[in-house]
Amino acid sequence: GAGVSQSPRYKVAKRGQDVALRCDPISGHVSLFWYQQALGQGPEFLTYFQNEAQLDKSGLPSDRFFAERPEGSVSTLKIQRTQQEDSAVYLCASSLSLAGITDTQYFGPGTRLTVL
Amino acid sequence: AQTVTQSQPEMSVQEAETVTLSCTYDTSESDYYLFWYKQPPSRQMILVIRQEAYKQQNATENRFSVNFQKAAKSFSLKISDSQLGDAAMYFCAYRSAYYGNKLVFGAGTILRVKS
Repeated sequence: GAGVSQSPRYKVAKRGQDVALRCDPISGHVSLFWYQQALGQGPEFLTYFQNEAQLDKSGLPSDRFFAERPEGSVSTLKIQRTQQEDSAVYLCASSLSLAGITDTQYFGPGTRLTVL
Repeated sequence: AQTVTQSQPEMSVQEAETVTLSCTYDTSESDYYLFWYKQPPSRQMILVIRQEAYKQQNATENRFSVNFQKAAKSFSLKISDSQLGDAAMYFCAYRSAYYGNKLVFGAGTILRVKS
């Protein structure tokens, strides 16, 4: 079946613009995660949804970052008033939310955001 | 907070040979899960292997195996019979068994495979 998809794959924004990044998880996956990956670094957690409920947003770097998943499927990560330090690859992952070790997170290809 | 450290920014291996990637982590929890993910240049992260902390037996998946040393908080990945397709960035990751499902990643190790 189809994997996790993200759009757009590349986004260039001028400093101060708002951007919206979309994630389509694997059908039936309950959990959805957003990670930020700076160049040459490992991904860092931003936020986590279980269905439509945002259970953890501890990784969002500022109040300019906002995520939603209104119907428990597609999710959007919005960044307001983008800054150069927001330039990164934004990864989305989804999982079935089974208990324990078997709850594998499947990742999308990411959106590379460049803020000029 | 948990941290994951990968001390090897880059490793090289000859095709058909064996290579070991290192990973250490810091946690005060007794139960957790550990993962190795592979990220080829196309950026799609793929799970390679996983280990439950309460299991003493090291996980294996075909050519991939781990050496899990809980007391030392070490979780290395061994790739046997290396293939050109193994070339990628490898990330070690930690997930708590108690609090949430987020993954905590190391900085990664670039693996180059020479033909």
